[in-house]
Amino acid sequence: DGGITQSPKYLFRKEGQNVTLSCEQNLNHDAMYWYRQDPGQGLRLIYYSQIVNDFQKGDIAEGYSVSREKKESFPLTVTSAQKNPTAFYLCASRKKIAGPYEQYFGPGTRLTVT
Amino acid sequence: AQSVTQPDIHITVSEGASLELRCNYSYGATPYLFWYVQSPGQGLQLLLKYFSGDTLVQGIKGFEAEFKRSQSSFNLRKPSVHWSDAAEYFCAVGAEGAQKLVFGQGTRLTINP
Repeated sequence: DGGITQSPKYLFRKEGQNVTLSCEQNLNHDAMYWYRQDPGQGLRLIYYSQIVNDFQKGDIAEGYSVSREKKESFPLTVTSAQKNPTAFYLCASRKKIAGPYEQYFGPGTRLTVT
Repeated sequence: AQSVTQPDIHITVSEGASLELRCNYSYGATPYLFWYVQSPGQGLQLLLKYFSGDTLVQGIKGFEAEFKRSQSSFNLRKPSVHWSDAAEYFCAVGAEGAQKLVFGQGTRLTINP
């Protein structure tokens, strides 16, 4: 089955630690996205990538970093500089970066930092 | 700048009743329009999409939406809701050349038995 996998489902970290969230897709999609979701705030775009070794900041990139070394993988690192990292993180992919294409979403990772 | 407005933060309907969730967008170009559904703790699932052609589109789970260019709207409808429809619903808009989709804030749907 084609789709997007995110692991782990739940992640717990101590304040001051960096943590990396995994996102893998086997849809052969060019574009990948990371969103953050907080209660009552909808989806906020963190980073996106249209091609390997290229990515752009979204609306709330501060305190986050990404890499795109392979087409199918787009890991997100939440650094200790992110002031409020506890949130639900969603990865998405899209066949092409622009045009009449929908985004497909992974199941999400809930990160709790204490 | 493009934007999407879902005027209703929370809607409660009785099981078996009809449903309409509102979505208004502001976009300069011809929009690509989407409705997604999210169950608690899950990712978003595409319900339906509009790119061009017939302005009434059918989706999964018995949902439909109608694109009205004159009203800049893309409202989601279902004739008879089921308890399993309780979820959060997101409207999103894109356009030719746009690298990102713009999402509304979401509407939370509660179903009364």
